[in-house]
Amino acid sequence: EAQVTQNPRYLITVTGKKLTVTCSQNMNHEYMSWYRQDPGLGLRQIYYSMNVEVTDKGDVPEGYKVSRKEKRNFPLILESPSPNQTSLYFCASSPLQVYGANVLTFGAGSRLTVL
Amino acid sequence: KQEVTQIPAALSVPEGENLVLNCSFTDSAIYNLQWFRQDPGKGLTSLLLIQSSQREQTSGRLNASLDKSSGRSTLYIAASQPGDSATYLCAVNLGRDDKIIFGKGTRLHILP
Repeated sequence: EAQVTQNPRYLITVTGKKLTVTCSQNMNHEYMSWYRQDPGLGLRQIYYSMNVEVTDKGDVPEGYKVSRKEKRNFPLILESPSPNQTSLYFCASSPLQVYGANVLTFGAGSRLTVL
Repeated sequence: KQEVTQIPAALSVPEGENLVLNCSFTDSAIYNLQWFRQDPGKGLTSLLLIQSSQREQTSGRLNASLDKSSGRSTLYIAASQPGDSATYLCAVNLGRDDKIIFGKGTRLHILP
C-alpha cells in the first residue's frame, strides 16, 4: 500500500530532551515536507526537500532540523524541544511533475507534547 | 505574500443538501490548487487537484472549480451525507520550489 509513515504517533517529552520524528514514504517521491498544525493557525510548513541532500526552510523552521540522506526518509529533529513546539506534526510527500499535478500524500500525524 | 482564506470557518447543514465551500487566495500566480479532507485527529486526504490551466475537476459527488483571475476556488458537495462531516482545507502551490500555502479550513457538520 502506498503510504507515508510517521513515528511515533504520540509522544510526551520534557524540555531540552532531543527527539526525532521519523517519516518514510514508499512511493519513490522526490518531494517531502514537514508541517505543524496548531489551533487557529492552520498548517504551517517547517522544512521541505526537493530530493536527496536538498532541503529548504519553510515558514517556521526555528528549533527544527531535517536531513534527506535517502529518498524515502525525511526525519524531523528537535535538538532541544520547548513547550511552544507542542503541536500536531504532519509529513507529506509528492512526485515532482512538470505539469503541476503533484498530489500531496500525508502521513497520519504525530502528536507531540513538550512539558 | 500569498494568503489563503476559507470562509466560513464552520458550517452545519442537513443531510441531503448540496453545499459549497469557498477558498480565496490573494496572488493569482499559482501552480495548482488542492482540496483536502481532514477527519479529527487524522491526516489529510487529497480530494481533488486543479492545475492552473484547468477550470474544474470532478470526483463522484465532489466538484472543484478554479477561477485564477478572481483568486477563488469552490468545492461543491452534492447530496451531502453524515460521512462528509470533516474539516475541508484548500492549499495553493506557488510553483516556486513547490511552496504550498494552506487555508485554515472549513469544519463541516452534516446533520442526520
